[in-house]
Amino acid sequence: DVKVTQSSRYLVKRTGEKVFLECVQDMDHENMFWYRQDPGLGLRLIYFSYDVKMKEKGDIPEGYSVSREKKERFSLILESASTNQTSMYLCASSYPGSTDTQYFGPGTRLTVL
Amino acid sequence: AQTVTQSQPEMSVQEAETVTLSCTYDTSESDYYLFWYKQPPSRQMILVIRQEAYKQQNATENRFSVNFQKAAKSFSLKISDSQLGDAAMYFCAYRSKGSQGNLIFGKGTKLSVKP
Repeated sequence: DVKVTQSSRYLVKRTGEKVFLECVQDMDHENMFWYRQDPGLGLRLIYFSYDVKMKEKGDIPEGYSVSREKKERFSLILESASTNQTSMYLCASSYPGSTDTQYFGPGTRLTVL
Repeated sequence: AQTVTQSQPEMSVQEAETVTLSCTYDTSESDYYLFWYKQPPSRQMILVIRQEAYKQQNATENRFSVNFQKAAKSFSLKISDSQLGDAAMYFCAYRSKGSQGNLIFGKGTKLSVKP
């Protein structure tokens, strides 16, 4: 079974802190994604990566950056956390192909105080 | 830009009954993929069913089936013989064939199943 893990289920940070959210997948997937999930807004793509050291902005990249130094790991970075970044963050991975199913991690619920 | 609309924020169904969740999308592309994902409470999002736009036949996975109307840009999910474990948020999603794989999601429909 594909496994996508995220470093924390719950995280509480202070405004202005630098926050790292880690995602690891064990299926050698090329593609990895970071989404933000908010009630009534669904999932919105923050960044994605289709290869090591490659990244592309999604729909809402402002205030975030990412890092992909190894194929299995994709990190989301909040350089200076703000209260409006309180949200559920979901990581996903997929193997590129015509029907590439995305496999999701359990999510990290981040609260910024 | 493509958009996905789920017009039903919440739905309710009696156990063993059938329910249909609606999804419409907007695109100018002719070839693409559509998905329904399920997110149970406090659990991971999982794929329920997938449809390729060039296939006219509606996809089916056990009790889950879709009604894909390409001309109407409609992609509804039918759940037959509903079970308590079907209670979840359901998200409709779109992917361009030529994209790197990123999905465009609807806002979701929360399905409750009554015993």
